[in-house]
Amino acid sequence: DAGITQSPRHKVTETGTPVTLRCHQTENHRYMYWYRQDPGHGLRLIHYSYGVKDTDKGEVSDGYSVSRSKTEDFLLTLESATSSQTSVYFCAISDPGTAYEQYFGPGTRLTVT
Amino acid sequence: DAKTTQPPSMDCAEGRAANLPCNHSTISGNEYVYWYRQIHSQGPQYIIHGLKNNETNEMASLIITEDRKSSTLILPHATLRDTAVYYCIVRVVIGGANNLFFGTGTRLTVIP
Repeated sequence: DAGITQSPRHKVTETGTPVTLRCHQTENHRYMYWYRQDPGHGLRLIHYSYGVKDTDKGEVSDGYSVSRSKTEDFLLTLESATSSQTSVYFCAISDPGTAYEQYFGPGTRLTVT
Repeated sequence: DAKTTQPPSMDCAEGRAANLPCNHSTISGNEYVYWYRQIHSQGPQYIIHGLKNNETNEMASLIITEDRKSSTLILPHATLRDTAVYYCIVRVVIGGANNLFFGTGTRLTVIP
């Protein structure tokens, strides 16, 4: 399995509080992604990064920000969590040298009450 | 971006071939077809991808029609561990990163 970890794995937080999820990789892959998965919607891309300090928006980026200060870490921040952000969040990595396969982390289950 | 259509669910007997169809009638000439699967609550797992030709690896075979408007993922000898949601995805490349648009997939149940 690709070396991808996500922390925390589970989190319960209250509406209006800030939340940061961390994705850490040991594969030195260039690209990193954040997805959310909700029933009936499959996986949807939130933000992605194509290098250190280079990020861009995905399909459902409103309410989220990201940062990538070093190759191995990609942070997803909910500035003020809302109940609609209750979801399972997956991080993924890919690299041009691996035929554009994406490797996914184990996921973070976030509940906003 | 090309959209994909998959049946919501399928059953397959253990040991038999599982054939999962996908329609992507609006696919453009330089878009690849990717297949991933997600077992229970784990992160999705890459299976196979192709452009025009049929492809085979240790996990599965991918058959793409000549007009590229549809494809079939074949698991030659399904096992109980193949029970999962299977996603057919058409790849869009933006800025060098690979943004894969996941739909709702096909839930494959392998029956003993």
